[in-house]
Amino acid sequence: DGGITQSPKYLFRKEGQNVTLSCEQNLNHDAMYWYRQDPGQGLRLIYYSQIVNDFQKGDIAEGYSVSREKKESFPLTVTSAQKNPTAFYLCASKGLAGVITGELFFGEGSRLTVL
Amino acid sequence: EDQVTQSPEALRLQEGESSSLNCSYTVSGLRGLFWYRQDPGKGPEFLFTLYSAGEEKEKERLKATLTKKESFLHITAPKPEDSATYLCAVLEGAAGNKLTFGGGTRVLVKP
Repeated sequence: DGGITQSPKYLFRKEGQNVTLSCEQNLNHDAMYWYRQDPGQGLRLIYYSQIVNDFQKGDIAEGYSVSREKKESFPLTVTSAQKNPTAFYLCASKGLAGVITGELFFGEGSRLTVL
Repeated sequence: EDQVTQSPEALRLQEGESSSLNCSYTVSGLRGLFWYRQDPGKGPEFLFTLYSAGEEKEKERLKATLTKKESFLHITAPKPEDSATYLCAVLEGAAGNKLTFGGGTRVLVKP
């Protein structure tokens, strides 16, 4: 079955540590996205990529980094520079990149807690 | 700056009690408005796309409508399984592939 797999589902981190969240998709989608969701709030865009080896900052990119070396993979690193990293992180993908469609396919999310 | 505002923030309904959720937006050149459903601890699931004022889409007990400044998600005779957070998002003319999400409406349907 096609879909998006995020791991780990739960992650605890000490202050000052970098962590990397994995996102893999087998939908053959060109575009991939990382969103952050805080309790009771909507989704805020961190980074997105429309093609391999290219990505753009979203609205809240500070303290985060990404790479897109393969079409299937779009890992997110939460660095120690991110001042308030505790949140629910969602990875998404979209087919037919460049065409007007809002249908994003989301993973199950990764919940990061900083101790 | 583009804004997407959803109201109410939370809605408690009795099973069978119909209601509507609102999504108002201020964007220049709307290219599409999208509704998603999100269950607790899960990723959002796509429901509808609306492109132009006057357009309507239906799926089971849900009906989405669009005007020039807002969209409504009508829930008719809801069941407990309709309990979820409903998110709307807009795609604005110059934003390329970037969606702007509203804060969501948490719906709880009691039996």
